[in-house]
Amino acid sequence: RKEVEQDPGPFNVPEGATVAFNCTYSNSASQSFFWYRQDCRKEPKLLMSVYSSGNEDGRFTAQLNRASQYISLLIRDSKLSDSATYLCVLSSGSARQLTFGSGTQLTVLP
Amino acid sequence: NAGVTQTPKFRVLKTGQSMTLLCAQDMNHEYMYWYRQDPGMGLRLIHYSVGEGTTAKGEVPDGYNVSRLKKQNFLLGLESAAPSQTSVYFCASKSGDRADEQYFGPGTRLTVT
Repeated sequence: RKEVEQDPGPFNVPEGATVAFNCTYSNSASQSFFWYRQDCRKEPKLLMSVYSSGNEDGRFTAQLNRASQYISLLIRDSKLSDSATYLCVLSSGSARQLTFGSGTQLTVLP
Repeated sequence: NAGVTQTPKFRVLKTGQSMTLLCAQDMNHEYMYWYRQDPGMGLRLIHYSVGEGTTAKGEVPDGYNVSRLKKQNFLLGLESAAPSQTSVYFCASKSGDRADEQYFGPGTRLTVT
C-alpha cells in the first residue's frame, strides 16, 4: 500500500466550478500535512499547510482528519490558472522528510 | 536571492557514465534534500542532509552518493548511470527542523540511454 494515496484524475472542470480532492495516508506518525501545486515540467510549490481545525486561503480550503488519516482540498470558483497537478504531502521523521502522493491533475476549461 | 538553483538543467548520459548534479541555495538553509520524480509518480527522497558535513539515506538511495562539504551546496553523484535512473531530479532546502516549507529548485532532466 502506498504511504499517500490520491485519485490521479484527471479532473476536467469548467471555470467557476467547485472541485474537491481527497488524499489518504498510512503513517499515523506523520507530523505535518501540506498541499503542493506542480505546474507541467516545473518544481512543486507549497500551496498551503493543512491543520485539523481546517484552514482557508482565499478560494482554497484544506481539512485534515487524523482519526481517519484523510486530507482534503476544496477549490471554489475555479480559474484557468488553477490548472496544475495537486500533490498531497506529509512530513515525518527527525528531518521532517516529505512523502508525496502521486498527484491529482486538474484542468479548468474555459 | 536566487533561491535554489540546480546545474545542469538537462543531461543525456550513456549507461555506465558518471556525473554529478549540483544544488546550491543562498538562503542559509540547514536542511537540503534530493528527490527524483518519475512519470505519473510523486517525488521520492533519495538522500538528505541536516547540516554541513552530514548526509543520510532516503527512500531510494541505491546507485547514488551525496556530499555536503559546504552549507550552501548539496551534490548528487551517479557513479555508473543506468537507464532506471532516467528521471527528473529536484533539490530542495529548508531552514531548520521546525520549518515546514521546503523550497525546490527547477529540476534536472536526466536521460540515460
